[in-house]
Amino acid sequence: DARVTQTPRHKVTEMGQEVTMRCQPILGHNTVFWYRQTMMQGLELLAYFRNRAPLDDSGMPKDRFSAEMPDATLATLKIQPSEPRDSAVYFCASGLVAGGISYEQYFGPGTRLTVT
Amino acid sequence: KQEVTQIPAALSVPEGENLVLNCSFTDSAIYNLQWFRQDPGKGLTSLLLIQSSQREQTSGRLNASLDKSSGRSTLYIAASQPGDSATYLCAVLIYNQGGKLIFGQGTELSVKP
Repeated sequence: DARVTQTPRHKVTEMGQEVTMRCQPILGHNTVFWYRQTMMQGLELLAYFRNRAPLDDSGMPKDRFSAEMPDATLATLKIQPSEPRDSAVYFCASGLVAGGISYEQYFGPGTRLTVT
Repeated sequence: KQEVTQIPAALSVPEGENLVLNCSFTDSAIYNLQWFRQDPGKGLTSLLLIQSSQREQTSGRLNASLDKSSGRSTLYIAASQPGDSATYLCAVLIYNQGGKLIFGQGTELSVKP
């Protein structure tokens, strides 16, 4: 049963600390997404990658957020320095785009981040 | 700018009722539309995906329809059960922008035994 995995599931940290979240996409998927979910804003796309290359990171605060895909099995989202307003659930999703068709996106369980 | 709206924001029904959740979008130039379910504290589970050339998709007791020209989609749940209680989100894939999904705010469904 293929699924997207994310670590850690929960993270509590103090303001100013660096936070790194990791995601393992489903094997064979060529597109990886990072979303953030809050009560106020709902689900927002932060960034996404196709074949490990960043396609769009316009949703990310550039000064503190960075996203990378060091290899096809790992995507990372880093926040440095973290702020209380970054508290949210961060989801990774993966999907397949092939032959001009975008297929379903599959979501991981999320990382619940609390910055105090 | 594409905006996705879901009505109602919350819905409570007795077990066994058939119900309809609504989703509307402002720009009809979408590539596909996906319905998700989210349980409290959990991730999103994909329920149905409708390509822009399709009118509907069915999976078990769920049926999703798409009317691109009017910017609307509905999710029909037949014979609702308490286990259907969750938040349902619709999301549209913006045409020609790869995999960028724009989400609605969701409908929180409660099915009472």
